[in-house]
Amino acid sequence: GNSVTQMEGPVTLSEEAFLTINCTYTATGYPSLFWYVQYPGEGLQLLLKATKADDKGSNKGFEATYRKETTSFHLEKGSVQVSDSAVYFCALREAGTALIFGKGTTLSVSS
Amino acid sequence: DTGVSQDPRHKITKRGQNVTFRCDPISEHNRLYWYRQTLGQGPEFLTYFQNEAQLEKSRLLSDRFSAERPKGSFSTLEIQRTEQGDSAMYLCASSLGSTPLANTEAFFGQGTRLTVV
Repeated sequence: GNSVTQMEGPVTLSEEAFLTINCTYTATGYPSLFWYVQYPGEGLQLLLKATKADDKGSNKGFEATYRKETTSFHLEKGSVQVSDSAVYFCALREAGTALIFGKGTTLSVSS
Repeated sequence: DTGVSQDPRHKITKRGQNVTFRCDPISEHNRLYWYRQTLGQGPEFLTYFQNEAQLEKSRLLSDRFSAERPKGSFSTLEIQRTEQGDSAMYLCASSLGSTPLANTEAFFGQGTRLTVV
């Protein structure tokens, strides 16, 4: 079945450091890919998405590129801020089905 | 509309009791999803409604769990004879899909945290 694997956390960075959170997926068809973020005490929010191969999703300085050849959707940000501290979830969805999430990666950014 | 609303936010119950949670989706959204999230895990899909029809149920949804969406608006999730393993965050999400295959953004509520003692 479909699944998502993302790197284990926690990831601890200093402010302005470069961030990469790895995500790979297994799917039988052609899924859309998502990154969701959960800030402390808040609900899940969509951060960015990509619906087909080679698409790049971007938002708030975060980027991820849908790589079909490596079945990956790694999240990157060039310069993290303390306010980026949160739990990040990679997810996929095939048409007509529900989202399937990875286990989440906790990011902690210190000043 | 301020988003997906879930009630209660927290629930502590004794093992063996029944509990019911409510989800109010974004008003024009025709799709509604229930997920369960345990500590250190990502949300796991439980069930999905398109309007009032329950279209899909996960194997995680044992016969002690039942979900309804009687008028295609709010939904309830009931757990009967709760067990300690039911302790988790129960998340509701909604989206707008004109067809069953439409792939649109899902908006999540803040969840109901259930603790079974």
